[in-house]
Amino acid sequence: GDSVTQMEGPVTLSEEAFLTINCTYTATGYPSLFWYVQYPGEGLQLLLKATKADDKGSNKGFEATYRKETTSFHLEKGSVQVSDSAVYFCALGDSGGYQKVTFGTGTKLQVIP
Amino acid sequence: EPEVTQTPSHQVTQMGQEVILRCVPISNHLYFYWYRQILGQKVEFLVSFYNNEISEKSEIFDDQFSVERPDGSNFTLKIRSTKLEDSAMYFCASSALQGPETQYFGPGTRLLVL
Repeated sequence: GDSVTQMEGPVTLSEEAFLTINCTYTATGYPSLFWYVQYPGEGLQLLLKATKADDKGSNKGFEATYRKETTSFHLEKGSVQVSDSAVYFCALGDSGGYQKVTFGTGTKLQVIP
Repeated sequence: EPEVTQTPSHQVTQMGQEVILRCVPISNHLYFYWYRQILGQKVEFLVSFYNNEISEKSEIFDDQFSVERPDGSNFTLKIRSTKLEDSAMYFCASSALQGPETQYFGPGTRLLVL
């Protein structure tokens, strides 16, 4: 079945450092890919998405490119801020049925001043 | 901005007891979902609900689980006889349209079964 694998955390970075969180997926068909973020005490929020190969999703300075050849969707940000501290989930959308979301385990990011 | 809310935020129960987790979806949404995350593991889909019936469910969603929309605003997940392995964070989600990118998630209920 569909699955998502993402790098384990926690990831600790200094403010203004470059961020990469790796994500790879296994799926049949052509799923949509997502990054969700969960800030402390809050729900899962959609951060960005890409719906087909070579699409780049971007939001709030974060980017991820749908790479079909490497089945990857790595999350990057050029300069992280303390406010980016959160748990980041890579996910894919089932292309059939009612399109449930399949999540990775999440990567906790802590940004220190 | 409208949001999905869940109550309680934390619940502790004894093994074998029944628990009901409550969710208030966004008011004009039509599709409802429950997911769970066991500590340190993936967020897993449990069930989707549309038009007052289950539209899809996972293998996890066995006979001890049930969902209901009792009054047009709440969406509940009932676990009839809790087991230790039901300890997890349970997330509710809702969407106005069919499709994963339109799902809005609640903050979750952390359930601990002793």
